[in-house]
Amino acid sequence: AQSVAQPEDQVNVAEGNPLTVKCTYSVSGNPYLFWYVQYPNRGLQFLLKYITGDNLVKGSYGFEAEFNKSQTSFHLKKPSALVSDSALYFCAVRDQRSNDYKLSFGAGTTVTVRA
Amino acid sequence: DGGITQSPKYLFRKEGQNVTLSCEQNLNHDAMYWYRQDPGQGLRLIYYSQIVNDFQKGDIAEGYSVSREKKESFPLTVTSAQKNPTAFYLCASSSGTGPRETQYFGPGTRLLVL
Repeated sequence: AQSVAQPEDQVNVAEGNPLTVKCTYSVSGNPYLFWYVQYPNRGLQFLLKYITGDNLVKGSYGFEAEFNKSQTSFHLKKPSALVSDSALYFCAVRDQRSNDYKLSFGAGTTVTVRA
Repeated sequence: DGGITQSPKYLFRKEGQNVTLSCEQNLNHDAMYWYRQDPGQGLRLIYYSQIVNDFQKGDIAEGYSVSREKKESFPLTVTSAQKNPTAFYLCASSSGTGPRETQYFGPGTRLLVL
């Protein structure tokens, strides 16, 4: 079985401050991990993914995420948040041993960046 | 959203009516998926298809049906058996060439019950 937890429903930060969105996962084997962003009434946009290798993954729009196997975490980060980063963020996981291409998503974290 | 289109953007269903949501992709992807999104619950998988003429149930398939007659198309029918169909429906596709592929999403269809 595979699952994802996003422990914070909402994250509020001031523009220019660092932004962190937390994600923890559970898989039987090793994970593939993904972050997506969703703007109101839109589909999900892919930000970045971890496959293997370097634990720090860089993605779109200045976002990055750090894979920590011992803590089973994959937190999304941005050094300096923008008002335009306000959106709903989803973490997703897939067990590398799975062969059915199914992703398991977290419940989402709403990010609000105030000017 | 590029490469995956969903129509209509809004859809209204009357009691006892079946409705069909369209999903088309021009990415030459083998795999396609349907998700349902409800507030505070994230995305839940309804059906997925890894190849033409084949599909599998996801976690919440009851009250839904799909077909995959063409590689680029994966329509979803919400039947009258689905008692709570109001939600945002998202279609996705992936290359399906291996376990590390990324799923790309369409813009979604919001289904409302009259």
